[in-house]
Amino acid sequence: EPEVTQTPSHQVTQMGQEVILRCVPISNHLYFYWYRQILGQKVEFLVSFYNNEISEKSEIFDDQFSVERPDGSNFTLKIRSTKLEDSAMYFCASSRDRPSSGANVLTFGAGSRLTVL
Amino acid sequence: SQQGEEDPQALSIQEGENATMNCSYKTSINNLQWYRQNSGRGLVHLILIRSNEREKHSGRLRVTLDTSKKSSSLLITASRAADTASYFCATVNNQGGKLIFGQGTELSVKP
Repeated sequence: EPEVTQTPSHQVTQMGQEVILRCVPISNHLYFYWYRQILGQKVEFLVSFYNNEISEKSEIFDDQFSVERPDGSNFTLKIRSTKLEDSAMYFCASSRDRPSSGANVLTFGAGSRLTVL
Repeated sequence: SQQGEEDPQALSIQEGENATMNCSYKTSINNLQWYRQNSGRGLVHLILIRSNEREKHSGRLRVTLDTSKKSSSLLITASRAADTASYFCATVNNQGGKLIFGQGTELSVKP
């Protein structure tokens, strides 16, 4: 069964440091997403990405965040200057179908746990 | 916001019993999906129901959708200890936008 893979599984960083979280979506999927889940809370949408550009982003996804698909296989989330409140599990997801298709099932990775000290 | 509440927040049952989780939402939707999350892991898609469908089955799962009440329910029949997980509903609105998750129900099935 194809999988979305994420690295690292856990990263500890100091406040103010830059962090890059990496994801390899499923190869024939065209739509990519980042979500985050603060411990014990719900899964929150950050950003969607299609055709090498951001399709939609949430209020959480401010100027400190950026996404990139640098080489046609990886999909990265960069946090430029981490804050304590960025501590969360970050999930990458991909889908084959466009969101408006009525059939857009997301396949999620196992997540990257970010701890900001 | 698009997503409403799920209830109950936590549900504890014995193996073999049925588990029912409910989800409400606020806006018109294109489809509603249920996902499962084992502790500390990613979300796994369970079932998708379109806005023009009222009921859908997949194995021991039964999902209903009532668009007039903006609500859905997930029924797991003959539960097993391995069903212990958090269950989230998620909606896609009519503009075909992002998938938005609810708060989730934490299900504990005791052997």
